Amino acid sequence: QSVLTQPPSVSGAPGQRVTISCTGSSSSIGAGYDVQWYQQLPGAAPKLLIYGNSNRPSGIPDRFSGSKSGTSASLAITGLQVEDEADYYCQSYDSRLSGSEVFGGGTKLTVL
Amino acid sequence: QLQLQESGPRLVKPSETLSLTCTVSGGSISSGGYYWGWIRQPPGKGLEWIGSIYSSGNTYYRPSLQSRVTISVDTSKNKFSLKMTYVTAADTAVYYCVRGGVVIATTYFDFWGQGTLVTVSS
Repeated sequence: QSVLTQPPSVSGAPGQRVTISCTGSSSSIGAGYDVQWYQQLPGAAPKLLIYGNSNRPSGIPDRFSGSKSGTSASLAITGLQVEDEADYYCQSYDSRLSGSEVFGGGTKLTVL
Repeated sequence: QLQLQESGPRLVKPSETLSLTCTVSGGSISSGGYYWGWIRQPPGKGLEWIGSIYSSGNTYYRPSLQSRVTISVDTSKNKFSLKMTYVTAADTAVYYCVRGGVVIATTYFDFWGQGTLVTVSS
């Protein structure tokens, strides 16, 4: 069971907007720790999409955006494309039990 | 462009030690301000942070793995390594080496190796 909770799956049609939630607790996201988001295409290593809650690394299109509020964070993808079909993971830090970087369980995005 | 490449045995027997090395190219592992670490992914499952080492040599491990894991750096060879003792079938996973940058009290992992599947089986 992951420390950060994500929906197992979301779906959307090309061109639509989807959001993926990431719920933590008072010892993780709610404690002020930043949230990152990663995209994992089938058979590939994860790729950093968002860091520091809402910052995009160079080369990541502005169709991807991140936000954080309270004990939760969200990844929004606008103008959905077929190539966006992948697994998405959130990541932050949890201060319980000596502290650890933690990931959500992952969300499978299906582009209909 | 920074590149990371994992290497090591793909098959390890139960109770033995898993040893992996990550070779870094396109940049110096001793340049300050970054963590170098390991993340694993059991087949069909999610990501799990194992641990990181800072350029100063300080190490940070997942609490549940701390007693079995050691991460070290060889700056002369631009490599860092993972050793995990007393492995079981539960340690079967794709192991990724990563570079980490720091934001507010947490780390973002911006460069990843391609990953290597390590199977624990007799």
